[in-house]
Amino acid sequence: EFVLTQSPATLSLSPGETATLSCRASEPVASYLAWFQQRPGQSPRLLIFDSSKRANGVPDRFSGSGSGTYFSLTISSLEPEDFAVYYCQQRRSWRLTFGGGTKVEMK
Amino acid sequence: QMHLVASGGGVVQPGGSLRLSCEASGFSFRSFGFYWVRQTPGKGLEWVSFIRYDGSNSYYTDSVKGRFTISRDNSKSTLYLQMNSLRLEDTAVYYCAKCSRGDHGGDLDFWGQGNLVTVSS
Repeated sequence: EFVLTQSPATLSLSPGETATLSCRASEPVASYLAWFQQRPGQSPRLLIFDSSKRANGVPDRFSGSGSGTYFSLTISSLEPEDFAVYYCQQRRSWRLTFGGGTKVEMK
Repeated sequence: QMHLVASGGGVVQPGGSLRLSCEASGFSFRSFGFYWVRQTPGKGLEWVSFIRYDGSNSYYTDSVKGRFTISRDNSKSTLYLQMNSLRLEDTAVYYCAKCSRGDHGGDLDFWGQGNLVTVSS
């Protein structure tokens, strides 16, 4: 099973700052990695797929990078609506797996 | 505008059964595969099952194999998850999610609202 480990668990930042979230895979997943945003009480929303491609309608302040086992999601100039939980997910294996999430909270 | 409207959750005793439904609109349902994903505070997000666009093949996580059955009715644009022999550990919010392509391995590019299933005696 491909285990995804996200860090940090919580990130405390102010609006306007930049958030950098990490996701490490236990085995290489090539570029088959996605990022989701989940706001309280809402369903997850696809932000990034194939490591660095933004999904439809996602603002360009969201960017993803990485390949193999190390990936990152950067949110430039945080907006109030960006404070949420973010998950990474791999599809290298047909047994999809998700990371444990990083909560971006307002300082 | 795409919509995935889930229904069928609720409270059930261990060993009982429930059927979740997920009705789609705003896109060509029959062209895409679909996932069920569940979420708990303890285990986070967990992939449960997948079905091909035409229903010809399906996949399950090991913990639900033999107990859960995914199906679809393309004439009704509806996805189903029949859950039998429910266990306490199946308690979760269940999401249906559209796959970006017809076969397995695509991205979960649109999610329905969550449907709470509680297994409790």
